[in-house]
Amino acid sequence: EAAVTQSPRSKVAVTGGKVTLSCHQTNNHDYMYWYRQDTGHGLRLIHYSYVADSTEKGDIPDGYKASRPSQENFSLILELASLSQTAVYFCASRTGQNTLYFGAGTRLSVL
Amino acid sequence: QQKVQQSPESLSVPEGGMASLNCTSSDRNFQYFWWYRQHSGEGPKALMSIFSDGDKKEGRFTAHLNKASLHVSLHIRDSQPSDSALYFCAASFNNNNAPRFGAGTKLTVKP
Repeated sequence: EAAVTQSPRSKVAVTGGKVTLSCHQTNNHDYMYWYRQDTGHGLRLIHYSYVADSTEKGDIPDGYKASRPSQENFSLILELASLSQTAVYFCASRTGQNTLYFGAGTRLSVL
Repeated sequence: QQKVQQSPESLSVPEGGMASLNCTSSDRNFQYFWWYRQHSGEGPKALMSIFSDGDKKEGRFTAHLNKASLHVSLHIRDSQPSDSALYFCAASFNNNNAPRFGAGTKLTVKP
């Protein structure tokens, strides 16, 4: 079965601090995505990548950066964390049929 | 405004009953649809995809798509307590476009 591993599983950050969320996949998939989940909003697309060393903006990219140093790894970076970025973050990779395989998520609390 | 709307927000059915979940799109360019299920504390997992008008059945789950009305539904027969979860509808323009998700329907199956 496809495997997507996220780290850390949870994190507490201070307002204005830098946060890096990591994602590793062993599926040999080209496409990878970052979504955030908030109650009442479902999953919203932040950034995605279809090839190493290239990233694209999703629907809510403000305040986030992404990095894809290799096919297997995709990171989400919050340079200046804010209270509004408290959420659960999911990384996913996709098959040729565009079905997503999600990681277990990272619960981020910004205080 | 989200381009994928789901109803109802929450739904409770008795064990063995039928659960019906709905999804509509405000963007006629969406052509590919999925249903995902998320149990508490886990990442979403794909249940089924539907790309053509009509019904698609997989075990106890049946999806129905009507592209003309931009409506897709999911019906779960013989609902089990293990079906209790958050159900997401997702849609994309084509096989390469990043899927967009609705806000979800919380299903509770009561023993």
